Amino acid sequence: QQQVKQSPQSLIVQKGGISIINCAYENTAFDYFPWYQQFPGKGPALLIAIRPDVSEKKEGRFTISFNKSAKQFSLHIMDSQPGDSATYFCAASGQGGSEKLVFGKGTKLTVNP
Amino acid sequence: DAGVIQSPRHEVTEMGQEVTLRCKPISGHDYLFWYRQTMMRGLELLIYFNNNVPIDDSGMPEDRFSAKMPNASFSTLKIQPSEPRDSAVYFCASSQRGSYGYTFGSGTRLTVV
Repeated sequence: QQQVKQSPQSLIVQKGGISIINCAYENTAFDYFPWYQQFPGKGPALLIAIRPDVSEKKEGRFTISFNKSAKQFSLHIMDSQPGDSATYFCAASGQGGSEKLVFGKGTKLTVNP
Repeated sequence: DAGVIQSPRHEVTEMGQEVTLRCKPISGHDYLFWYRQTMMRGLELLIYFNNNVPIDDSGMPEDRFSAKMPNASFSTLKIQPSEPRDSAVYFCASSQRGSYGYTFGSGTRLTVV
């Protein structure tokens, strides 16, 4: 119930391509879904987040798509750049983000030049 | 704002020794989280505090692990005695109720030999 399942484990994309990372959850009490980006040797940093009252949120080249009925959400990175190469984590929590975050296992993205 | 500050950045210790990891959260943040990151298990929440009070320590692996938050600006995670399987990157994160997202520190890479 507390798990967030993330796929794929790793992803290789060419520069300019679209990167898509998917996550699924079981706990219907989750109501806050952030994505974190982590570079080697650094801590994860908040990238973008969504609440279930909207189906999509876009910030620059990054878009979250949310499907409440399927209990799935995904991160799309448009026009992927080598600088986007990092590990991406989806997460979920309840009570609007006030509860502890449960993280997916992460996706290592490599964008080839 | 210096962000969440963790020390040391790297720690190498022998099995059986006591290890203390330190964290200074962002001023004004009332939540503090300790996570452990490994390749196999990803990001695992060990314990979190609200207003210096431990709220959920269900993720602490065993009695060898303990955490304290004596005041709003300092927390420690102690492992005694340490074992090789404790080798991981330990992250501290803080957040403020009513705002979304955690701010992570840069982590402490612990190696137990």
